[in-house]
Amino acid sequence: GQQVMQIPQYQHVQEGEDFTTYCNSSTTLSNIQWYKQRPGGHPVFLIQLVKSGEVKKQKRLTFQFGEAKKNSSLHITATQTTDVGTYFCAGPVRDSNYQLIWGAGTKLIIKP
Amino acid sequence: ETGVTQTPRHLVMGMTNKKSLKCEQHLGHNAMYWYKQSAKKPLELMFVYNFKEQTENNSVPSRFSPECPNSSHLFLHLHTLQPEDSALYLCASSQDSTRDRGNEQFFGPGTRLTVL
Repeated sequence: GQQVMQIPQYQHVQEGEDFTTYCNSSTTLSNIQWYKQRPGGHPVFLIQLVKSGEVKKQKRLTFQFGEAKKNSSLHITATQTTDVGTYFCAGPVRDSNYQLIWGAGTKLIIKP
Repeated sequence: ETGVTQTPRHLVMGMTNKKSLKCEQHLGHNAMYWYKQSAKKPLELMFVYNFKEQTENNSVPSRFSPECPNSSHLFLHLHTLQPEDSALYLCASSQDSTRDRGNEQFFGPGTRLTVL
């Protein structure tokens, strides 16, 4: 069946270091979405990528959608404590209305 | 904040109790979702409603019963739950989308459920 794999599960970084999470789909996606969930909070939509090879930036966050539209990445430059949380990718389920298939998430942890 | 509200925010119940979770969205969306989020597990979709009609039911046990009286309100009725049902239950909504497009979802704050 359709799957979305996200790695790594956790990433510990020193404040100021970079962070990257990768998402790989078993099928071609029409779009991919990224969400952030702060500790104790709920997922919040960050961005949607639609085009093959698309790159979008939000301040220190860079999102990429692969040429084959099967993989995506989120890169954070110079992490800050406000970046702490779990980052999820999600893509539409093929042949299903509105449903998203979710990656397991990557938890960003800032080392003390 | 997000236009999706959930009540209660926290719920502790015994296995023989009956309770209901409520979700309301103020965004004019026509699709609503129930998700379960357990520790160290990905988001698990439970139910999807579009224009009040249930379109997805991902093999959820019958002790969870959804109700969608209109496009703005969604309920999850709980009865004879098990301790393993303890989790964060999230409601979300999205605007109508064409097949395979999957518009962004807006989540409520969730109900933290503990089953004793």
